[in-house]
Amino acid sequence: TQLLEQSPQFLSIQEGENLTVYCNSSSVFSSLQWYRQEPGEGPVLLVTVVTGGEVKKLKRLTFQFGDARKDSSLHITAAQPGDTGLYLCAAGNQFYFGTGTSLTVIP
Amino acid sequence: NAGVTQTPKFRVLKTGQSMTLLCAQDMNHEYMYWYRQDPGMGLRLIHYSVGEGTTAKGEVPDGYNVSRLKKQNFLLGLESAAPSQTSVYFCASTYFPRQSSYNEQFFGPGTRLTVL
Repeated sequence: TQLLEQSPQFLSIQEGENLTVYCNSSSVFSSLQWYRQEPGEGPVLLVTVVTGGEVKKLKRLTFQFGDARKDSSLHITAAQPGDTGLYLCAAGNQFYFGTGTSLTVIP
Repeated sequence: NAGVTQTPKFRVLKTGQSMTLLCAQDMNHEYMYWYRQDPGMGLRLIHYSVGEGTTAKGEVPDGYNVSRLKKQNFLLGLESAAPSQTSVYFCASTYFPRQSSYNEQFFGPGTRLTVL
């Protein structure tokens, strides 16, 4: 069983569309992180959320930590081909990563 | 700075062969990690090290051994490779203790291993 479940597993959308990916768990975390991984490379940290209900924005990306600190979401506005990649959430102690969401943005 | 580097980038082994994957970091990080990545499974921790001369088991340690003789290097060994160990292996390092909520792991580019 996976500690962190992400959905959807795959997502293919047209450029300009909006999307949301989810990271869910039955456990409570002190913090949660989102990484993006491009093909042939290692993951790169996007953001860390710490407080329940916290919302952080990174340009067109909006990250939210659930009130109970068990889940998180990533919303992308007006997706661009450069957003293509694998999005991974990770538990605060970083020993556990989510199952990943593979996003393809079609020009 | 090169960051985190991994050697080799690709490798094909036959069942039963052994090999060592090398990870090097030039950021003076205390903590280093080895993960494997399989489709639909995300990253799973194999072993990690909190400092030179120390190692600990992660979520999936069976069939692997590690050594951290120098602070900048973390080696992952497969003594007798099995097809189930076909995967992409990532090394990572971080400065802050894992208890911190503000860790950022820096990853290498990965090693793609195929065991026939």
